[in-house]
Amino acid sequence: SQQGEEDPQALSIQEGENATMNCSYKTSINNLQWYRQNSGRGLVHLILIRSNEREKHSGRLRVTLDTSKKSSSLLITASRAADTASYFCACYKAAGNKLTFGGGTRVLVKP
Amino acid sequence: NAGVTQTPKFQVLKTGQSMTLQCAQDMNHNSMYWYRQDPGMGLRLIYYSASEGTTDKGEVPNGYNVSRLNKREFSLRLESAAPSQTSVYFCASSAQTGNTEAFFGQGTRLTVV
Repeated sequence: SQQGEEDPQALSIQEGENATMNCSYKTSINNLQWYRQNSGRGLVHLILIRSNEREKHSGRLRVTLDTSKKSSSLLITASRAADTASYFCACYKAAGNKLTFGGGTRVLVKP
Repeated sequence: NAGVTQTPKFQVLKTGQSMTLQCAQDMNHNSMYWYRQDPGMGLRLIYYSASEGTTDKGEVPNGYNVSRLNKREFSLRLESAAPSQTSVYFCASSAQTGNTEAFFGQGTRLTVV
């Protein structure tokens, strides 16, 4: 079974709106990472948040981590058509030494 | 900047045929990975190599073998392809397993008929 599960599976918004997606995981982790995948392409790393961090920012991206609820959220502010992509969370646990991905959230930003 | 290079980009195999997917990275990374991506399933880890000379099973290793040829190259072999192995395969690398960002290749779309 996969460690991270994203919600919602799909999201459609207008350009300029904010997009929020969530990731829940089952067991404790060392860090959680978010990746973007454009159609037909490889994944691109967006941001990494460690288990002792609660929030990180990178440009228009804001990631939060709540280890008590075993969940993370990715917020994209002021979305653009170019943000249309699938977004994946990935959980890393040192014990086991694996980076495991969730099923992804497909985001469509309409111009 | 090449990053992670996978070959081939597309491949069609008949059931029972064998093939090797090649992956090379030029970032001097220690760790390399092979994932498969199926519709609605996200990415699932097949095998990984934490450092040169070591390989370990991931979530779905059955039907696959890997070789960490050197620090740059990590190949994935299908000895006897099955239709269930139809998927998009991604190779990735990172400086350290899990603690740093992973860089992905463009993928190999494999169809087994």
